[in-house]
Amino acid sequence: DQQVKQNSPSLSVQEGRISILNCDYTNSMFDYFLWYKKYPAEGPTFLISISSIKDKNEDGRFTVFLNKSAKHLSLHIVPSQPGDSAVYFCAASVHEQGGKLIFGQGTELSVKP
Amino acid sequence: DSGVTQTPKHLITATGQRVTLRCSPRSGDLSVYWYQQSLDQGLQFLIQYYNGEERAKGNILERFSAQQFPDLHSELNLSSLELGDSALYFCASSPGSNTEAFFGQGTRLTVV
Repeated sequence: DQQVKQNSPSLSVQEGRISILNCDYTNSMFDYFLWYKKYPAEGPTFLISISSIKDKNEDGRFTVFLNKSAKHLSLHIVPSQPGDSAVYFCAASVHEQGGKLIFGQGTELSVKP
Repeated sequence: DSGVTQTPKHLITATGQRVTLRCSPRSGDLSVYWYQQSLDQGLQFLIQYYNGEERAKGNILERFSAQQFPDLHSELNLSSLELGDSALYFCASSPGSNTEAFFGQGTRLTVV
């Protein structure tokens, strides 16, 4: 049972435009959501997170939106840069279950110059 | 550099063997997590330790075990290895149990 889903395996965007990566979840107990970025041969790098009490969190070019009723979150990158090309994973956790993260399958973002 | 160190980076071993993967968390982090990433798979949570105690368990096989030592480093032991155990194994650490986790570079295990 895939509790966290990233339905787009890949996304291609032109440099300077907006990249929107989507993530859906099924477990309504999830109350903390994170995005990680991963380059080949490296471990995932934490990008940005959001608690379920918020619907938006912004950090520089990165904004995460949470729609609890739709069980959907998205990561917006504006403007996209070639260095953003990587695999992006969304992850979710339940506060009372500790920090165990449930990851989506990842979306490979390619930003073309 | 996340501050999480995993050794070795690569490991090639034969079926039936046993290996130990090691993880040193970031300084001050009490929680250590182990994840497995198989080919074309997302990261699957295996197990979490917090300050030496097992805190949460995921889809970890009985052939696998882990522990966290008093100095907070952790080891993941994989035994009776099968071809299907070939994967990237990541360790992550966090200060507590409910904050973002920082990942090491992973150990690539190849079972032949």
